[in-house]
Amino acid sequence: SQELEQSPQSLIVQEGKNLTINCTSSKTLYGLYWYKQKYGEGLIFLMMLQKGGEEKSHEKITAKLDEKKQQSSLHITASQPSHAGIYLCGAGPSGTYKYIFGTGTRLKVLA
Amino acid sequence: DAGVIQSPRHEVTEMGQEVTLRCKPISGHDYLFWYRQTMMRGLELLIYFNNNVPIDDSGMPEDRFSAKMPNASFSTLKIQPSEPRDSAVYFCASSLYFFGGEETQYFGPGTRLLVL
Repeated sequence: SQELEQSPQSLIVQEGKNLTINCTSSKTLYGLYWYKQKYGEGLIFLMMLQKGGEEKSHEKITAKLDEKKQQSSLHITASQPSHAGIYLCGAGPSGTYKYIFGTGTRLKVLA
Repeated sequence: DAGVIQSPRHEVTEMGQEVTLRCKPISGHDYLFWYRQTMMRGLELLIYFNNNVPIDDSGMPEDRFSAKMPNASFSTLKIQPSEPRDSAVYFCASSLYFFGGEETQYFGPGTRLLVL
């Protein structure tokens, strides 16, 4: 079955450091979404990538989708405590009509 | 818009009891999704509706789970009878399209269910 693997599972960084979270699929993806979740809250949409090689940025967060549309990375520059939370990738694999999500990456930023 | 509204936010019940979770989607959204999130399995799609009609319920774990959408502004997820392994956070989400550019699912705050 289609799965999205995220790495790392958890991450602790010092404030100001850069970090990267990866999301990998074994199949080509129709679209790749990145969400952020804080404890006790729902998922907040960050960015959506649809084209191979696409890259988008919002404030200090940049997401990329590789040319094969099977791997995406989320990069945070100069991390801040406000970046802490769980980051999930979500996707709709080509040829299916389902949403699937990665297992999430827990990020903690130390002040 | 107030966003997706879920109730209750927390539910503690005893094994065997019936549990009903409620969701009000964003007005105008044609799709409604129910998800379950656990540490072990992550976020799983249980069922989704299009224009109040259930389209795919293949994620519903057992016959103990049922979902309805009697109108465009209300949906319920019912568990009867509940079991301890049903303990999880249940999210409702709605969207205008299933897939479409920047259009995405908007998630409610979730219902934390604990079955003792």
